[in-house]
Amino acid sequence: KAGVTQTPRYLIKTRGQQVTLSCSPISGHRSVSWYQQTPGQGLQFLFEYFSETQRNKGNFPGRFSGRQFSNSRSEMNVSTLELGDSALYLCASSRGADEQFFGPGTRLTVL
Amino acid sequence: AQRVTQPEKLLSVFKGAPVELKCNYSYSGSPELFWYVQYSRQRLQLLLRHISRESIKGFTADLNKGETSFHLKKPFAQEEDSAMYYCALRTNTGNQFYFGTGTSLTVIP
Repeated sequence: KAGVTQTPRYLIKTRGQQVTLSCSPISGHRSVSWYQQTPGQGLQFLFEYFSETQRNKGNFPGRFSGRQFSNSRSEMNVSTLELGDSALYLCASSRGADEQFFGPGTRLTVL
Repeated sequence: AQRVTQPEKLLSVFKGAPVELKCNYSYSGSPELFWYVQYSRQRLQLLLRHISRESIKGFTADLNKGETSFHLKKPFAQEEDSAMYYCALRTNTGNQFYFGTGTSLTVIP
């Protein structure tokens, strides 16, 4: 079956702009989690959505938000971009509280 | 607060030598621990989880609650084991994971 897909794969924005990233989970998976990956901090949990509800949230400012649609696809939005938001954003899906399957990531560069 | 620590950013071993990747955690509840691996140009994928108590690709990891550790071990390293390894903790409040900063393992032929 198809794996987790993320679009776009690469994105370049300037400070102050906003960005929306998309994640399509594996069919049948209702949980979608988002992570920010940077060389210095590793993977940091942003939030998790399950059946269109945010179930868990990491320690990120309110500029980072997300949502999940009825088909389990998820989007995350970052407003008022800062240079420090440059990172690889990973999405992972799972049926529930079991193995997470990761997407390839979206590489965001903020200039 | 929950925290996962992987003290080694880089680790190099010779082929056939034993390898141990260290992972320590802090969590007040009952944790679930995982090891994830990322091979070159591939996605992050699950290697093993402590509740399974199984060996994957020759790797094992034992949860030591007394030492709050979950070290990954393999008796004889292979070149194909070269990858980035992440230790992760899942809390008992849902699907919230805390990852370590990763250890890059290089197996020298």
